Amino acid sequence: DAGITQSPRYKITETGRQVTLMCHQTWSHSYMFWYRQDLGHGLRLIYYSAAADITDKGEVPDGYVVSRSKTENFPLTLESATRSQTSVYFCASSESQGYVTEAFFGQGTRLTVV
Amino acid sequence: AQSVTQPDIHITVSEGASLELRCNYSYGATPYLFWYVQSPGQGLQLLLKYFSGDTLVQGIKGFEAEFKRSQSSFNLRKPSVHWSDAAEYFCAVGGSNDYKLSFGAGTTVTVRA
Repeated sequence: DAGITQSPRYKITETGRQVTLMCHQTWSHSYMFWYRQDLGHGLRLIYYSAAADITDKGEVPDGYVVSRSKTENFPLTLESATRSQTSVYFCASSESQGYVTEAFFGQGTRLTVV
Repeated sequence: AQSVTQPDIHITVSEGASLELRCNYSYGATPYLFWYVQSPGQGLQLLLKYFSGDTLVQGIKGFEAEFKRSQSSFNLRKPSVHWSDAAEYFCAVGGSNDYKLSFGAGTTVTVRA
């Protein structure tokens, strides 16, 4: 199916464990983003990528790692999960036109760290 | 730095009544503005966007928004709300030299019968 897919949709993990959230898009969009959504904060940018092998930190990158070896995939890894990383995570993608365009969002991953 | 403020955390409106959601932005260059809607358990869907031109923009689901540069605002409106409009609404800003979006904290809309 065309679009942007996140997996898993729900995840419970223990403090200190490493966990990877997957994101796959079929549009060949250059730009991809990871946001976290928390009550009272809206969506905050964690990391973003302009192309394969090009990534950069967003507003709240601490405790997260990303990679982008292929254009279509943009996994987000929590190296050692903490309770403060309990959140809903959204992946998004957009076309490359040198400026911001419409971002298309995945369904989100609800992560609980216990 | 760019930022978005949505002053209303929660709004309750009767079905059939009008709705207005406020959005104020801060951006150093020409802003590109967006409204997204998030239904419970879902991702975000674009309602409308403003890049340039006519300051009143029409979107999907009967929504419209007006860009007012002098007030740094981009308020969202709907003349007659339906129960299916109950959702969370996010305003976002980007720009001509930036491909990232910054989001507001969101406004939750409850529709009562």
